[in-house]
Amino acid sequence: GDSVTQMEGPVTLSEEAFLTINCTYTATGYPSLFWYVQYPGEGLQLLLKATKADDKGSNKGFEATYRKETTSFHLEKGSVQVSDSAVYFCALILNSNSGYALNFGKGTSLLVTP
Amino acid sequence: NAGVTQTPKFRILKIGQSMTLQCAQDMNHNYMYWYRQDPGMGLKLIYYSVGAGITDKGEVPNGYNVSRSTTEDFPLRLELAAPSQTSVYFCASSQGNTIYFGEGSWLTVV
Repeated sequence: GDSVTQMEGPVTLSEEAFLTINCTYTATGYPSLFWYVQYPGEGLQLLLKATKADDKGSNKGFEATYRKETTSFHLEKGSVQVSDSAVYFCALILNSNSGYALNFGKGTSLLVTP
Repeated sequence: NAGVTQTPKFRILKIGQSMTLQCAQDMNHNYMYWYRQDPGMGLKLIYYSVGAGITDKGEVPNGYNVSRSTTEDFPLRLELAAPSQTSVYFCASSQGNTIYFGEGSWLTVV
């Protein structure tokens, strides 16, 4: 079935370091891809999305490019801040009978230290 | 701008008790969802609804029931609570592929 695999955490970086969180997917169709962020004690917030191959989603300095040839949607940020410490979830949607239900990866915890 | 509102935020239940988690959205979205999030895991879909009067099972429906009598409300009922249902529950709604989440309900079954 459809699934998302993202790199294991936790990831610990110093402030201003470069961030990459890997995400690959398996799907029979052409999914839309998402990154969600969850800050401690809060719900999930949409960070960025891409709906077709070669699309680049971007928000708050984060970027991810939909790569159909490698079935990947890696999250990157050039210079992380302490406030970026959170759990990041990669997810996909296939337009299906379940509406637009998201299929999530397990999440990657990021800790940024001063 | 309320968005998706869940109540209660925290609840402790005893084994065998029942309760309902409330969810309401004010965006007139047709699609609504209930997820659970276990520690170190992504969210798993419990139930979903594509419109008032229509509900269907997701990946992990056992032990839960839902109803959708109005567009706005999508309550999740736990019957005979078990320790395995200790989790964080998220309600969500969508119109198209942008999904909005509530802030979560932390449930502990002891």
